[in-house]
Amino acid sequence: GIQVEQSPPDLILQEGANSTLRCNFSDSVNNLQWFHQNPWGQLINLFYIPSGTKQNGRLSATTVATERYSLLYISSSQTTDSGVYFCAVGINSGSRLTFGEGTQLTVNP
Amino acid sequence: NAGVTQTPKFRILKIGQSMTLQCTQDMNHNYMYWYRQDPGMGLKLIYYSVGAGITDKGEVPNGYNVSRSTTEDFPLRLELAAPSQTSVYFCASSGVQERSTDTQYFGPGTRLTVL
Repeated sequence: GIQVEQSPPDLILQEGANSTLRCNFSDSVNNLQWFHQNPWGQLINLFYIPSGTKQNGRLSATTVATERYSLLYISSSQTTDSGVYFCAVGINSGSRLTFGEGTQLTVNP
Repeated sequence: NAGVTQTPKFRILKIGQSMTLQCTQDMNHNYMYWYRQDPGMGLKLIYYSVGAGITDKGEVPNGYNVSRSTTEDFPLRLELAAPSQTSVYFCASSGVQERSTDTQYFGPGTRLTVL
C-alpha cells in the first residue's frame, strides 16, 4: 500500500516562531488532507489539498503532486497550535485515507 | 449541526466481552469510516462505507464487524474483546455534496480499554 512519511517527528518552538512540516508519499494521490489533533484528542481537518496551495489565517499548505510531497506552514505560532499534525492521503476520491505517523508540535510561551 | 457524534466516550471491557460503538452523522454524508489510534501512532482504517448497505474492509478489520442500514448511522461491533483492541476509536464521515467533497470530519472518539 501507499506509504506516508512525515517530518520532523517532533518540533519544539517558542511562541511567535514559524515552522514547516513535511509529508512525503510513495504513490500518486487524488486526496490529501492535513489534520490537527489537539491535546484533548480531537481531530480537526485543516486542509483538503490534493494539489496546489491554500491558506487559512496563519496556516497554509502546498502540495506538489508530481513530486509526491506536501508542506504545512505555520506562521507566528501560538501555544494553541500545540498538538499532533497528521497528513493523510488517498488514491481515489471519497476513499480510504492512509495516515502518516504525525508531527508532535509543542509551542512554548 | 452536531456533526459526527460517538458513544460511549469511555469504556472498559473484560477479555471476551462484546460491545458496539455507536456513530451518527447529521451531514447527509455518503461515506463513513472507522479508525483506531494506538498510543503515539497515526490512525489506521478498520472499515468504511460508501453508502447505506455497502461496507468494506480497511487495513485492520480483524476482530470487528460493521453494518450500515441508514445514511446516518455506522456502528462498529467488537465480538470477543482482546487486550490488543485497547485503543482510541474514531468515526469519520465525508460527503459528495460539499465543495471539498472528500474532507473528512471526525467524531470525538471512544477510549476503549480491554483488561
